[in-house]
Order: sequence, then C-alpha cells, then structure tokens
Amino acid sequence: NAGVTQTPKFRVLKTGQSMTLLCAQDMNHEYMYWYRQDPGMGLRLIHYSVGEGTTAKGEVPDGYNVSRLKKQNFLLGLESAAPSQTSVYFCASSYGLGGKTQYFGPGTRLLVL
Amino acid sequence: DQQVKQNSPSLSVQEGRISILNCDYTNSMFDYFLWYKKYPAEGPTFLISISSIKDKNEDGRFTVFLNKSAKHLSLHIVPSQPGDSAVYFCAASANYGQNFVFGPGTRLSVLP
Repeated sequence: NAGVTQTPKFRVLKTGQSMTLLCAQDMNHEYMYWYRQDPGMGLRLIHYSVGEGTTAKGEVPDGYNVSRLKKQNFLLGLESAAPSQTSVYFCASSYGLGGKTQYFGPGTRLLVL
Repeated sequence: DQQVKQNSPSLSVQEGRISILNCDYTNSMFDYFLWYKKYPAEGPTFLISISSIKDKNEDGRFTVFLNKSAKHLSLHIVPSQPGDSAVYFCAASANYGQNFVFGPGTRLSVLP
C-alpha cells in the first residue's frame, strides 16, 4: 500500500517547454487534487477531480491542464512552462462526501528557467 | 487577501513544554478545519480536525480549540517533543465541502 505517489520528484524545465506530472493513489479514493506551494504561502488548489473522467478548476488553474482517465491517476500538465510556475507541486486524494482527510504525496519540485 | 492566516512564521519551544500554534480566518462560511504537519521533503500529513459544531477536539497530545466568534483556532501540543519539529498548516473549508484553503504555515522547533 503505497498511498499517494508522484512522478517525477524533481524536474528542471526551460521556459516554453511542456511536461506532465503524474499522481497515483492506491486507496480507491474518489477525490484527487493538485496543489502548488510557494514560499510564504499556503498550499493553493490548482485543479481537482471528484471522480474518474471529471475535473474542475481550483483557485489558481491558469497555465495548467489536468486529466483523470483512470480513477487511480490524476495528471497535471504544463503546456508552456513559465518561470512563475516554479514551485513545489503536491497531489492529494480523499474519500468522497464525509471523508475530508486528504492524503498527500511527497511532492514534485519544479524549476522553470 | 488570505482567508486563512497563520501570523507566526516560526515558533521555538523547549521539550516538555506546551506548543501553541494559532490560526485566524476571515470567511464566516468556514465550518470545518484541519491541521496538517509537514516534514521537509515530504507531503503534509493529517493531524487533527474540528467542525464548527464543536469548540474543542482532543487526540492524545494534540488539542484543537475553535473560537467561532473570534474566527480563531489554535493547536496545543502537550508535552512537546523534538519529533514534533515540523511546519504546521491550518486549513479550512466551507459548507463542509471538500476544497480547503490553507494558511501559510508555522515552523515549530522543539528544542531538546
């Protein structure tokens, strides 16, 4: 039982490059989330999903896209990376209604030059 | 404007003493609150929660107090241990929803 895993752990991109961050969970959770954490700020919600095939925008969705083709996976894409997207990205998952505790992955550190 | 504030970026406490971490919120619709602990290079882990129908919730050494009129909650750790040294995040949701707003965190250092 691995919980929530994230791939990769660290990545360096040049401005304009694209990449996909992968999040996987083995707890059969319905809800999945992508956050970013920047210095001096709390985690901010980028996008989330309430079930397979669904996605919704969070607080800071611009510049990101997501997909939830399988229940256990939630992908975060950057089509054209910008230095402002340098951050630590956390994925989380939780049960549906009534299960509010979110379980987080270890994070992906992204540096955009 | 931050809806969830943790005004102390850092806190140092002696081992065995009480640690008190504070959190203030501005949105009166918030009705469910969580505390998370985060170690370096790891994701946050759930610590304790409280809903707005309660004013206190206790779990072992950890107690969370909620003062709705003041829009304030606090996390008490008694006694503090060196392993408690971490960043603590307060988070809140509205209408018992699934989406949480996080505070910026407080770094707790427990000195042996």
